[in-house]
Amino acid sequence: GAVVSQHPSWVICKSGTSVKIECRSLDFQATTMFWYRQFPKQSLMLMATSNEGSKATYEQGVEKDKFLINHASLTLSTLTVTSAHPEDSSFYICSASGTSGSEIGQYFGPGTRLTVL
Amino acid sequence: AQSVTQLDSQVPVFEEAPVELRCNYSSSVSVYLFWYVQYPNQGLQLLLKYLSGSTLVESINGFEAEFNKSQTSFHLRKPSVHISDTAEYFCAVSGEDDKIIFGKGTRLHILP
Repeated sequence: GAVVSQHPSWVICKSGTSVKIECRSLDFQATTMFWYRQFPKQSLMLMATSNEGSKATYEQGVEKDKFLINHASLTLSTLTVTSAHPEDSSFYICSASGTSGSEIGQYFGPGTRLTVL
Repeated sequence: AQSVTQLDSQVPVFEEAPVELRCNYSSSVSVYLFWYVQYPNQGLQLLLKYLSGSTLVESINGFEAEFNKSQTSFHLRKPSVHISDTAEYFCAVSGEDDKIIFGKGTRLHILP
């Protein structure tokens, strides 16, 4: 089945530093990847959509200079939280859209918990 | 624009009792509908989905949902819940652009 991995699964950093989160589709090629954030006990909010080889499309209210997204290949997208602050602490989840076997779908990664001190 | 409404933020139910988690959506175009489950401290897992065809879809662990176009609903049901069903359940809608819009979630509490 389709597997999407995220690395790291959790990260703690100091305020002002940058953090990179990787999202990989392990057994299929993802033409589109999505990034979400989830605050405690709340729903997932779509942050941006990225297509391989092109600039990401950000949802309204998401700072593109703050959350840098790179989709360098059909199996890898990265989210970099620049100059992180405590309010950026959240659960970040990626999903990858593609065909695994005969099934087309969108498959979610396990998430990355970011804590900014 | 698409949106999803989950009317109940929490649903307590006794073990082995039936449960229904409500979901209504709004969309001006054809939609795909999903239910995702998130167990404590884990990521999202797809529970079931409606893309086309039969309006009743089932999951492998006994859940089912029925797409009702006239009522714009996609309620999730299970005839007999188990303690292991304790989780957060998210209803979601997607259109042609693949963007998935999530509802706010319903926390299912199974009471012994």
